[in-house]
Amino acid sequence: NAGVTQTPKFQVLKTGQSMTLQCAQDMNHNSMYWYRQDPGMGLRLIYYSASEGTTDKGEVPNGYNVSRLNKREFSLRLESAAPSQTSVYFCASSPSGAGGHNTQYFGPGTRLTVL
Amino acid sequence: AQTVTQSQPEMSVQEAETVTLSCTYDTSESNYYLFWYKQPPSRQMILVIRQEAYKQQNATENRFSVNFQKAAKSFSLKISDSQLGDTAMYFCAIMKYTSGTYKYIFGTGTRLKVLA
Repeated sequence: NAGVTQTPKFQVLKTGQSMTLQCAQDMNHNSMYWYRQDPGMGLRLIYYSASEGTTDKGEVPNGYNVSRLNKREFSLRLESAAPSQTSVYFCASSPSGAGGHNTQYFGPGTRLTVL
Repeated sequence: AQTVTQSQPEMSVQEAETVTLSCTYDTSESNYYLFWYKQPPSRQMILVIRQEAYKQQNATENRFSVNFQKAAKSFSLKISDSQLGDTAMYFCAIMKYTSGTYKYIFGTGTRLKVLA
């Protein structure tokens, strides 16, 4: 099992460019999440998907869109990148469901720089 | 609103010694889960230990153990026999169930350095 994979690992964009961060998990998890990590601020939730076909906003959704393509894949899109979106982005997944263990498993992260 | 506070931005410990990282949280829910994650320089988030709030017994995982004080809303992590590989950022997190899924709230982290 590869767990949670993310592509790319590094990316540099110019202000106004768009890009999509890809995430996939092979653990048959129901829920998937996108976070951003900034210095001194821990991880903050951008968007999440409780199950295939559903998505919801997290704490900091502005400037982002997401797509839950199928149960395995959850992508994050920046339509018009801004320097404030320079960050490290993490994708995570969890089994979810009442009674089950709900630990989140994280991908390796994508370091994004917007110039 | 739920919050998680880690009041120690940085700590250091000598190899083989014991260190305790503190975490306090605020929640109005009666049942919840608490976690400690480790983030080494590789950036990978690695689960260290997890505690279910309805369990009174403190969780342990090899050299890692927690001191869970539910009434005080405190969840500290103790690392015994510290090793150089324990050098990392450590994040405390609380998990709540909302809108059909479980969401985490993270603290701002404690940077731990183990000295040789």
